[in-house]
Amino acid sequence: AQSVTQLDSQVPVFEEAPVELRCNYSSSVSVYLFWYVQYPNQGLQLLLKYLSGSTLVKGINGFEAEFNKSQTSFHLRKPSVHISDTAEYFCAVSSGGGADGLTFGKGTHLIIQP
Amino acid sequence: GAVVSQHPSRVICKSGTSVKIECRSLDFQATTMFWYRQFPKQSLMLMATSNEGSKATYEQGVEKDKFLINHASLTLSTLTVTSAHPEDSSFYICSALRGGSQETQYFGPGTRLLVL
Repeated sequence: AQSVTQLDSQVPVFEEAPVELRCNYSSSVSVYLFWYVQYPNQGLQLLLKYLSGSTLVKGINGFEAEFNKSQTSFHLRKPSVHISDTAEYFCAVSSGGGADGLTFGKGTHLIIQP
Repeated sequence: GAVVSQHPSRVICKSGTSVKIECRSLDFQATTMFWYRQFPKQSLMLMATSNEGSKATYEQGVEKDKFLINHASLTLSTLTVTSAHPEDSSFYICSALRGGSQETQYFGPGTRLLVL
């Protein structure tokens, strides 16, 4: 069984400040990790994913995440946020790359303050 | 890009009726699609995996006779909520798997179902 924990349900950040959204997972097998973003009234959009290789993964819109196997974490970071980054962010895990159904965390609402 | 649509975006129905939700991959073929359910302030929960031309695979606890899934073509999967009850009210989201060297799920915008 797999599970994903996003400890922060809401993260307020000032514009142009850095942000880190935390994600921890548990799994008994090798995992593949994903971050999705959901803008208001839109579907989920893939930000980035870790399947194998380098543990530092760069995604769209200036986001990056680092896979840390010893800490079972896959935190999402951005050095400078914009108002347009206001959205819900979901961390997800699967055991079969992208081909299996995903197990999602509860999501973190990123609120950018001017 | 890869676009997935869902129809309808919002539906209200009476208790006891059935509702069909469509999920379409608009610019690619998808042999595999997934159906998720999202309750307010909660994460998406995988309901079932839909495979073109074969029976869907349901997650534990999901009633296959209540949530009928049909994946008759490479671009269309449907979810029918049969004899809907108020507790079935939820946000239903589908995704379509686009293959290639790095398979990725592309998500539809979701369908909000309200059963009165």
